[in-house]
Amino acid sequence: DSGVTQTPKHLITATGQRVTLRCSPRSGDLSVYWYQQSLDQGLQFLIQYYNGEERAKGNILERFSAQQFPDLHSELNLSSLELGDSALYFCASSVLGQGNTEAFFGQGTRLTVV
Amino acid sequence: AQSVTQPDIHITVSEGASLELRCNYSYGATPYLFWYVQSPGQGLQLLLKYFSGDTLVQGIKGFEAEFKRSQSSFNLRKPSVHWSDAAEYFCAVGSERGGNEKLTFGTGTRLTIIP
Repeated sequence: DSGVTQTPKHLITATGQRVTLRCSPRSGDLSVYWYQQSLDQGLQFLIQYYNGEERAKGNILERFSAQQFPDLHSELNLSSLELGDSALYFCASSVLGQGNTEAFFGQGTRLTVV
Repeated sequence: AQSVTQPDIHITVSEGASLELRCNYSYGATPYLFWYVQSPGQGLQLLLKYFSGDTLVQGIKGFEAEFKRSQSSFNLRKPSVHWSDAAEYFCAVGSERGGNEKLTFGTGTRLTIIP
C-alpha cells in the first residue's frame, strides 16, 4: 500500500458527460501529480499541484481541469468526455523541497467512456 | 526535453534465469532515474531510484540497476527471476525542474515468465 488513495476505482460513463476523480495523497506529502495511462499514449503526465498551487502542466486537455484543496486532496475533473478519454488515471504524491524524493502512486481510476 | 526509450516491448524468460531490461534516456543534466513495476490491474510500485552517488543501485524484490552516463542507460537486472516477477516494467526520468516534479516514462516492457 503506497498510502495514496484514489476513488473511485472504476467509472463507466457516457460520451459528453463530466466526471470527477479524487486523490488523497500520503500523509505529509504536499505535491500531487496526475497521470493518464492509455494504450496508444502510454503513461503521460497531466498536471502537478504543490500545496494548493498549480506547479507544472503537461499534456492536459482544455476539457480537463484539476485542483488541490486546503486539506491537500486533489480532484481531476474531466468534461465533455470522448471515447478516447477512456484510460487509467493515476495520482501520485511526493514531498517537494528535498533532492532525493520519489513519487508514490495510487492504484488508479479506470475510466471507461461508452 | 527529456525522453526515455525502452527498446524491448515484450521479453520472455524462464523462471530462475537472469533478466536485464534496457532503458536509455535523453536528458540535459544529471538525471533522476527510476524503475517502476505495474502488475495487472495494479498501480505503479517503485523498484529503485538513482539520484546521485554509487552508479549501481539496489532495489526491492532483488532488483538492481546500473547508471551508465557514457551510454545514457539505466538497465534493470535481476540474477534469478520468479514467476511473481511477471508484470510490466517502466523506466522513468525526472523533470529538469529540480527533483522528480514530473516523470517522463518509457513505453514499458512486458515481462513474461515461463516455467
